[in-house]
Amino acid sequence: GENVEQHPSTLSVQEGDSAVIKCTYSDSASNYFPWYKQELGKRPQLIIDIRSNVGEKKDQRIAVTLNKTAKHFSLHITETQPEDSAVYFCAALGGGADGLTFGKGTHLIIQP
Amino acid sequence: DAEITQSPRHKITETGRQVTLACHQTWNHNNMFWYRQDLGHGLRLIHYSYGVHDTNKGEVSDGYSVSRSNTEDLPLTLESAASSQTSVYFCASSEPGLAGYTDTQYFGPGTRLTVL
Repeated sequence: GENVEQHPSTLSVQEGDSAVIKCTYSDSASNYFPWYKQELGKRPQLIIDIRSNVGEKKDQRIAVTLNKTAKHFSLHITETQPEDSAVYFCAALGGGADGLTFGKGTHLIIQP
Repeated sequence: DAEITQSPRHKITETGRQVTLACHQTWNHNNMFWYRQDLGHGLRLIHYSYGVHDTNKGEVSDGYSVSRSNTEDLPLTLESAASSQTSVYFCASSEPGLAGYTDTQYFGPGTRLTVL
């Protein structure tokens, strides 16, 4: 099955700086890669996703890049704000279509 | 507004008891999923369904079962609760996407289960 590795587990950045979270996946047939944000005690919320036929996607301060050859994808957050503090999860939909496989999460801390 | 709900939101039970967690969505989505979330493990897939009467095992299905008798509901049953099943449980739903199997998943608010 699919295996997703996510790094770092904790990331602390100064407000206004950029944050980058990286994930690798194992199944070369994986074709859908969403990113979720989860605030303490809340449900995961989709913030951006990308499909395997696209290399990059942007939505305001958030962007995701995908390198199919290297089997890794990254989340980029620019001009970070206090409300960006949360746990972020990457996920991949494997070729076997057994539901999403999630990374273990990154706790993003925005320092004032 | 369409939504996905879970009940109960909090549950405390004893080892060996049968427990059922409810998940209900009003989007008329064909695909529904159950995950558990534990510190250090992220979200792990328990069971999923791609339509009425369809159920499939996920990564951590031992000790859990599901049934799908209609489009809106996918209840999760712990046959004999164990302390290792203390966790936060999330239900999710989606429509089939370009891949033909799943696409954007929307999560319910979660159920915090404690097994004593």
